[in-house]
Amino acid sequence: QVQLVQSGAEVKRPGASVKVSCRASGYTFTSFGITWLRQAPGQGLEWMGWISAYNGYNGNTNYAQKFQGRVTMTTDISTSTAYMELRSLRSDDTAVYYCVRDLGYCSSNRCSFFDHWGQGTVITVSS
Amino acid sequence: EIVMTQSPATLSVSPGERATLSCRASQSVSSNLAWYQQKPGQAPRLLIYGASTRAAGIPARFSGSGSGTEFTLTISSLQSEDFAVYYCHQYNNWHTFGQGTKLEIK
Repeated sequence: QVQLVQSGAEVKRPGASVKVSCRASGYTFTSFGITWLRQAPGQGLEWMGWISAYNGYNGNTNYAQKFQGRVTMTTDISTSTAYMELRSLRSDDTAVYYCVRDLGYCSSNRCSFFDHWGQGTVITVSS
Repeated sequence: EIVMTQSPATLSVSPGERATLSCRASQSVSSNLAWYQQKPGQAPRLLIYGASTRAAGIPARFSGSGSGTEFTLTISSLQSEDFAVYYCHQYNNWHTFGQGTKLEIK
């Protein structure tokens, strides 16, 4: 069965960086992409960006404008793992971060619904 | 960016009754609309995709309708396990979510 297993919770100081991993299994990693979402305490879901692991498009990314310049998404196809690094952390970056399986290529920006989710990674930013 | 607006923010319904949740898009998303259920401390669960197709294992009491800019999620006879927060999600142009509707017990 499809599984996305994320790295554990972290506490960071303001200004620091965090890198969250998402290890995929149960499907062909190079046939899909990974989208990263986050959810602040008591708030809704926010799209952060997408990265392709799809053959020929591997490494292609699209970041939400809000995060451009502060986020980097990468993949390691040898371990079927996706990574999301967020820099210059602020207190309002405190949230649960999720990886979800997406299309490997979003034609005309049309992507997919999310039927497979990671368990979430709690990132707390506090001095 | 496509803005998704859900209404109401909170819906109070008695068990056994019908619940109707709405989602409006700021521009057409065709039928590229999904609904999720989220319970405290859990990741969201996919209920509906393509505006009206139930995901695997989702009970028939959940149904979705609409296209373009107006969408509805209907739960025909509420069970105790249905009280949760529901989100709509458009994937026609990258991704945006509604702010959620909290379905609470009346």
